[in-house]
Amino acid sequence: NAGVMQNPRHLVRRRGQEARLRCSPMKGHSHVYWYRQLPEEGLKFMVYLQKENIIDESGMPKERFSAEFPKEGPSILRIQQVVRGDSAAYFCASSPSRGQSSPLHFGNGTRLTVT
Amino acid sequence: AQSVTQLGSHVSVSEGALVLLRCNYSSSVPPYLFWYVQYPNQGLQLLLKYTSAATLVKGINGFEAEFKKSETSFHLTKPSAHMSDAAEYFCAVSEGGNTPLVFGKGTRLSVIA
Repeated sequence: NAGVMQNPRHLVRRRGQEARLRCSPMKGHSHVYWYRQLPEEGLKFMVYLQKENIIDESGMPKERFSAEFPKEGPSILRIQQVVRGDSAAYFCASSPSRGQSSPLHFGNGTRLTVT
Repeated sequence: AQSVTQLGSHVSVSEGALVLLRCNYSSSVPPYLFWYVQYPNQGLQLLLKYTSAATLVKGINGFEAEFKKSETSFHLTKPSAHMSDAAEYFCAVSEGGNTPLVFGKGTRLSVIA
């Protein structure tokens, strides 16, 4: 049973380019969460999605960042016009049911470097 | 809003010694509490979770944690450290419903031979 799959594992972008991070949840999971990890800061919640719906985007920066989880295909975290401060590890997690009493299953992350 | 404080960004123990990683939480309702472990260049793996059943929770790899409401703590322990336990450990809290899981800043555990 495949776990949460994220790709690419490493992504290098120049300032001003777009970054697209993909996440395929575990089979049977319809809830997806995105987190950002910066050194010495732990994981910061960004957004929570279900199929075709954004449930909570309270952690998303107001500009340049967007996320989707279409009916078919992976969840996408999109960062437009990247800046050096966007360099971080981005983790996707999934769960089978609503609410946080169900533990999250994490992917191995995408490490974004902005040059 | 819920929050988590992990005391000590780096803990070092000798192989075979007791491991104690501290976590204190803040929550306006009875919380769900989790410990995750992260090995280098990998995602987070669930060690154990507390969801209002027994206050002493046993997890994988010999780890356990005790929920103490009076102290708002959920410290992680292991009686005897192994070299393979070297990793970063994260405590997390949720208030349930649609509220997101909130993580502490992590504690890096080093095990010395």
